[in-house]
Amino acid sequence: NAGVTQTPKFQVLKTGQSMTLQCAQDMNHNSMYWYRQDPGMGLRLIYYSASEGTTDKGEVPNGYNVSRLNKREFSLRLESAAPSQTSVYFCASSAYRGSGETQYFGPGTRLLVL
Amino acid sequence: AQTVTQSQPEMSVQEAETVTLSCTYDTSENNYYLFWYKQPPSRQMILVIRQEAYKQQNATENRFSVNFQKAAKSFSLKISDSQLGDTAMYFCAFMKPDKLIFGTGTRLQVFP
Repeated sequence: NAGVTQTPKFQVLKTGQSMTLQCAQDMNHNSMYWYRQDPGMGLRLIYYSASEGTTDKGEVPNGYNVSRLNKREFSLRLESAAPSQTSVYFCASSAYRGSGETQYFGPGTRLLVL
Repeated sequence: AQTVTQSQPEMSVQEAETVTLSCTYDTSENNYYLFWYKQPPSRQMILVIRQEAYKQQNATENRFSVNFQKAAKSFSLKISDSQLGDTAMYFCAFMKPDKLIFGTGTRLQVFP
């Protein structure tokens, strides 16, 4: 039982390049999330998927797109990377998107945009 | 809007001692949930403890316990018998109804 896994662990991009961050969970959870963590700040929600087939914007969605490929996988895409997107990205999952449900986090992807 | 404030950017404690990390939050809601997450140098976010606002009893998880003061909107984390492995960033988080809002974190260093 690996929990939540993310690939890659670290990536360097040039401004304007695109890439997709992958996330998978093996806990049979319905809901999945993407957060970003910047220095001196807590995690901020980018997008979430309450259930397979649905996605919604979070607090900071601009510049990102997501795909809920199936129940296990939720990917985050940067179409044209900008230096402001340099951050650590975390994927999380919970049994369902409901009040009080604990979210379990992956190990993070560190992204550097030059 | 809900906000979460952690007023201690950094703290240190000696091994085997007790340390308390502070967290306050602002909300007009009555029912909600509070969490403490630990982020060690590996950057993995690990759930430490969870508190339901409608429960008066403070949550406890082994060496970790909380002091939940609903009227004061305070949710502090007490770590007893501190261990070197407790060295990490600690984030307080508020959830209502399903949105998780994080504080800016407290960096805890445990010294031998």
